[in-house]
Amino acid sequence: GQSLEQPSEVTAVEGAIVQINCTYQTSGFYGLSWYQQHDGGAPTFLSYNALDGLEETGRFSSFLSRSDSYGYLLLQELQMKDSASYFCAVRQAGTALIFGKGTTLSVSS
Amino acid sequence: DARVTQTPRHKVTEMGQEVTMRCQPILGHNTVFWYRQTMMQGLELLAYFRNRAPLDDSGMPKDRFSAEMPDATLATLKIQPSEPRDSAVYFCASEGPSSYEQYFGPGTRLTVT
Repeated sequence: GQSLEQPSEVTAVEGAIVQINCTYQTSGFYGLSWYQQHDGGAPTFLSYNALDGLEETGRFSSFLSRSDSYGYLLLQELQMKDSASYFCAVRQAGTALIFGKGTTLSVSS
Repeated sequence: DARVTQTPRHKVTEMGQEVTMRCQPILGHNTVFWYRQTMMQGLELLAYFRNRAPLDDSGMPKDRFSAEMPDATLATLKIQPSEPRDSAVYFCASEGPSSYEQYFGPGTRLTVT
């Protein structure tokens, strides 16, 4: 079977750092993507890791370890607008994405 | 500002009725996806097309769902007959060649009573 595991909820305060972990068990792994979705909105792309290591994009970074079937999304200098759901997604052959159930991040002041 | 468009944005219908959802992918994107999102199941891939050819529709209930791409600018998802359990948000997404970023449309919120 195929599965992606990520925490269902995370809470933090403004200015803090949060790490959202994702472990996966899938066939035909090509890479790991992260998407953000605000309430009532559409998922939007944040990052993609095909190789081991850390990718940094502004306040957000994403990490992948293929040998451990593990990745994480790191959000720094949290802002209220970062309150949203974050999904990890495994990219399989043919570009299809298998999504995790999502992590709801709540940022308070 | 290129974006994926979907119509209708909201649809309320009675069970047994036919529902058709439409999607216009971003110009130049050759891969189009249909997803369904519910609280219980999360985001599920229903079907996807590349260069208008169906690549995978294994996520779709075949007896009532059908997906087509009559041309490069239009993808359709049809449910006939609709059932209350089909109530969900249906997203279309498109991706360009040699890209790994999927662009999602705003979704169609379907309620079947």
